[in-house]
Amino acid sequence: AQKITQTQPGMFVQEKEAVTLDCTYDTSDPSYGLFWYKQPSSGEMIFLIYQGSYDQQNATEGRYSLNFQKARKSANLVISASQLGDSAMYFCAMRELPHSGAGSYQLTFGKGTKLSVIP
Amino acid sequence: GAVVSQHPSRVICKSGTSVKIECRSLDFQATTMFWYRQFPKQSLMLMATSNEGSKATYEQGVEKDKFLINHASLTLSTLTVTSAHPEDSSFYICSAATQESNTEAFFGQGTRLTVV
Repeated sequence: AQKITQTQPGMFVQEKEAVTLDCTYDTSDPSYGLFWYKQPSSGEMIFLIYQGSYDQQNATEGRYSLNFQKARKSANLVISASQLGDSAMYFCAMRELPHSGAGSYQLTFGKGTKLSVIP
Repeated sequence: GAVVSQHPSRVICKSGTSVKIECRSLDFQATTMFWYRQFPKQSLMLMATSNEGSKATYEQGVEKDKFLINHASLTLSTLTVTSAHPEDSSFYICSAATQESNTEAFFGQGTRLTVV
């Protein structure tokens, strides 16, 4: 079973409008972290926002906010006031934290959503 | 934020040769580095995890003799694609983490490998 599901292969949004990119996740661990990354055509992975499973409030970073619904296991990214430069691939990822404090912090990625901002 | 530098950004090599890709953490000590591979229009797939001073842990299906990983210091990990073939052409990207950095994984710029 996929751990991270992004159901929207592609999305279009009008410039200056808001857009929501969907992400659902699957884990039985009580402790985990959720990430969103932007990948422009150059290939670099740009960190956007992080939500910890124990965080009480939804994360926000500038125009990015994460709509975290723990019971539904969803972590949708909301981009407000879209700009042409927001056109890129967006990946949702999850990190399940090691139980004992040791071990690696690897990320599991979804398949991504290609966002196109229309002028 | 922390910076991870990956080099080279692009490389073209002949089939049968080996290519080394470097991943450096510039302003922090990376206890763990990860190597991912990304095919066009697909997601990142973890290839291996390397911890400084120990052998890398490879994901299922990744040939350890073909993709040699060395993490000799807390700031440098290398991925060597040995005897490269056209099917190894892909985008390779590394990330680095510390025990403390559980809120962000720092990525390199990626390396686009083309084997001709």
